[in-house]
Amino acid sequence: SSELTQDPAVSVALGQTVRITCQGDSLRSYYASWYQQKPGQAPVLVIYGKNNRPSGIPDRFSGSSSGNTASLTITGAQAEDEADYYCNSRDSSGNQEVFGTGTKVTVL
Amino acid sequence: QVTLKESGPVLVKPTETLTLTCTVSGFSLSNARMGVSWIRQPPGKALEWLAHIFSNDEKSYSTSLKSRLTISKDTSKSQVVLTMTNMDPVDTATYYCARIIMVRGVTLFDYWGQGTLVTVSS
Repeated sequence: SSELTQDPAVSVALGQTVRITCQGDSLRSYYASWYQQKPGQAPVLVIYGKNNRPSGIPDRFSGSSSGNTASLTITGAQAEDEADYYCNSRDSSGNQEVFGTGTKVTVL
Repeated sequence: QVTLKESGPVLVKPTETLTLTCTVSGFSLSNARMGVSWIRQPPGKALEWLAHIFSNDEKSYSTSLKSRLTISKDTSKSQVVLTMTNMDPVDTATYYCARIIMVRGVTLFDYWGQGTLVTVSS
């Protein structure tokens, strides 16, 4: 399967914790990466691999994986975290990249 | 400082061929374990990976679009070119190029261009 499925939208109260999930068969074999996209902007890498953050990404962002599900957790969500989030991995063949369906995170 | 910039037409007619160029700086297209991908995003919709090309000239294409896509690079010009044939209004999207690298066995897109909106209309 070449699909990565995400919940369309989640909301979180300011300062609380939110988990975004990404499901797909290929995640049993490959780690996911996570991208944050704000309106009118290009995506930004926030998590990759087992649980790695690029330089400049706050440590409130973390990643995990189990079976066919990858998760992105924002601990202590801030107003600036309101954005669309996309997971990405290889497909089951390992020859192509695939993006998830995207999750819109609203910070209340 | 790594930068990528997309260039190409903003408007193409149905059935025409789209040619997009990604000009990179701050890294070389000959760097090992690095490459450039093209990714698109229709208005209000999700990201869709299209193709990538690595420093060793390894190429990969989206299965659903493979028959219409060609990716190539000119290392001396620091450019990666994507062509997409037989354009249709459903191909209207913002097209991004992004650097793709392999880190600890994971491929990731660490730098992105600003994107270029391509509209397909007669």
